[in-house]
Amino acid sequence: EDQVTQSPEALRLQEGESSSLNCSYTVSGLRGLFWYRQDPGKGPEFLFTLYSAGEEKEKERLKATLTKKESFLHITAPKPEDSATYLCAVQAANNNAGNMLTFGGGTRLMVKP
Amino acid sequence: NAGVTQTPKFQVLKTGQSMTLQCAQDMNHNSMYWYRQDPGMGLRLIYYSASEGTTDKGEVPNGYNVSRLNKREFSLRLESAAPSQTSVYFCASSLWTSYEQYFGPGTRLTVT
Repeated sequence: EDQVTQSPEALRLQEGESSSLNCSYTVSGLRGLFWYRQDPGKGPEFLFTLYSAGEEKEKERLKATLTKKESFLHITAPKPEDSATYLCAVQAANNNAGNMLTFGGGTRLMVKP
Repeated sequence: NAGVTQTPKFQVLKTGQSMTLQCAQDMNHNSMYWYRQDPGMGLRLIYYSASEGTTDKGEVPNGYNVSRLNKREFSLRLESAAPSQTSVYFCASSLWTSYEQYFGPGTRLTVT
């Protein structure tokens, strides 16, 4: 059974204080790992897809990296507007259920000015 | 370009009532999905439609039915609502099932 565990559940940072969010996964062959951002009362917003170990993707202050067991979302010099819940999801290569995504529980990030 | 739209935004039902949640996308995507999001449970797939004319069960399909009306629209129906169906429902779409999914704004449903 595919599993995704995100840590920490919540993270409080001061503006400018860089940190990393972790997504650990077990999957029977990884097709892709996805990062989403979710603001309160809104739907998840797609950020990145990573396909293979060693791959990195960047967008503004965010950088996602991937190993064979986990992914990190690095946030450099965060701003208050980066406050949100960040979701990680995996898609198995041999998933017959429409390439179903398995989501983690999310990390709630709060950045104080 | 509105992306994925959902109606209604909020709904309160009494146990046993029925309703249909509507979803539409304007990105010419082939695949569409319905999820529910509950505290502590994360996002769980209810049903999906890999392409127009097909629908399949996801992880938690009991109590729901779906209709892929055309390429743009995918509806979710609760025939006899139960309090356990109180949740936030999200529709999503993707170019194909192996591609990243784009989500709508959600419908917050309360069943009393």
